[in-house]
Amino acid sequence: DTEVTQTPKHLVMGMTNKKSLKCEQHMGHRAMYWYKQKAKKPPELMFVYSYEKLSINESVPSRFSPECPNSSLLNLHLHALQPEDSALYLCASSQDGQGWEQYFGPGTRLTVT
Amino acid sequence: GQSLEQPSEVTAVEGAIVQINCTYQTSGFYGLSWYQQHDGGAPTFLSYNALDGLEETGRFSSFLSRSDSYGYLLLQELQMKDSASYFCAVRLYGGSQGNLIFGKGTKLSVKP
Repeated sequence: DTEVTQTPKHLVMGMTNKKSLKCEQHMGHRAMYWYKQKAKKPPELMFVYSYEKLSINESVPSRFSPECPNSSLLNLHLHALQPEDSALYLCASSQDGQGWEQYFGPGTRLTVT
Repeated sequence: GQSLEQPSEVTAVEGAIVQINCTYQTSGFYGLSWYQQHDGGAPTFLSYNALDGLEETGRFSSFLSRSDSYGYLLLQELQMKDSASYFCAVRLYGGSQGNLIFGKGTKLSVKP
């Protein structure tokens, strides 16, 4: 199984809502990532979990809160988002924290109204 | 600072060979990766160069020259399905593990 799955595929939420994005991998990878990607732009790293510990937080606003319940699961909790947060949110994993070869999930297309 | 420069768009015909360049200005990095992303899809890992030289994987090859601050992705026998965006990416010395810096991407259009 070389797949990273993400749910939901699409999400529309208001600025006062609380929602969560979910990501799962069963490749035994020990590092997992959240990226944000705007149209026609490269992915921007938000968070890295390496061996289930948060190892990087690229100055992401606190309205985004990551969680890694176990080595296969990664969540991104969303609260009080802004319209400019509308984007494709990608989850990825890699065998270790070096991260050269990352496997990406299909993403969640988020629209904040 | 650091930057990765790629051409924004490249067009080629089916069956041809195309080279996508990536030039960089960084203080030092571990290696150069390449990713492919189709419209509406997720990035897919293509290759990684830790050392200078050419890495070949089927129709795709990637090259790195640290002395020239330059790398490229070479796509041979182009097919329509190769139409996609291609990103180069590096992890900088001193950067956190897994922290890849992506170039802005090159949109490749393959014409019949």
